[in-house]
Amino acid sequence: SAVISQKPSRDICQRGTSLTIQCQVDSQVTMMFWYRQQPGQSLTLIATANQGSEATYESGFVIDKFPISRPNLTFSTLTVSNMSPEDSSIYLCSVESRRDEGVDEQFFGPGTRLTVL
Amino acid sequence: GQNIDQPTEMTATEGAIVQINCTYQTSGFNGLFWYQQHAGEAPTFLSYNVLDGLEEKGRFSSFLSRSKGYSYLLLKELQMKDSASYLCAVRVMDSGYALNFGKGTSLLVTP
Repeated sequence: SAVISQKPSRDICQRGTSLTIQCQVDSQVTMMFWYRQQPGQSLTLIATANQGSEATYESGFVIDKFPISRPNLTFSTLTVSNMSPEDSSIYLCSVESRRDEGVDEQFFGPGTRLTVL
Repeated sequence: GQNIDQPTEMTATEGAIVQINCTYQTSGFNGLFWYQQHAGEAPTFLSYNVLDGLEEKGRFSSFLSRSKGYSYLLLKELQMKDSASYLCAVRVMDSGYALNFGKGTSLLVTP
């Protein structure tokens, strides 16, 4: 299994500013993902963070708003740019890792709780 | 895209059995996951089904019927700590290994 840490755990930001969220994994993983969970909602995939190439974004999410870096197999960052109150959400980093019984499971980081005023 | 449906809320009594259903419509199906999420915490893995049938793991079991686009999560001998949100998620081939989540079922276990 993979152990994932995220920084910061929470932040309160002003409208128009940007915040960069860091995700660190304790082992090398091929697949890393960024999800968003808005209040009272389920998880929505933002993008797949690809090592050595540009991230793959889901419909409704664009690189200018959510730039992603993946410099190596254990680390990724997600930036929420030019924030508005609608960006208030929990942002979760996730990795794909194989369990002992051969199941490819997705492990989630503890999340970053963002409030935009 | 995928259409994943599950009940919004359920209530059950401590010690009882509860079944949480999930239906999905998708192409390129590549597995169905169930996650548990307590308030303010990250989702934690419960089960994975890629073939039809029942997977049992202690007090939790998960069933899949690919032809019907249907799964359920069965929780036995309910405990108060089982009060949480239960998320059904489908993995499809054209999304790489990413998951598409349903809206989640909020389960309340009462004494």
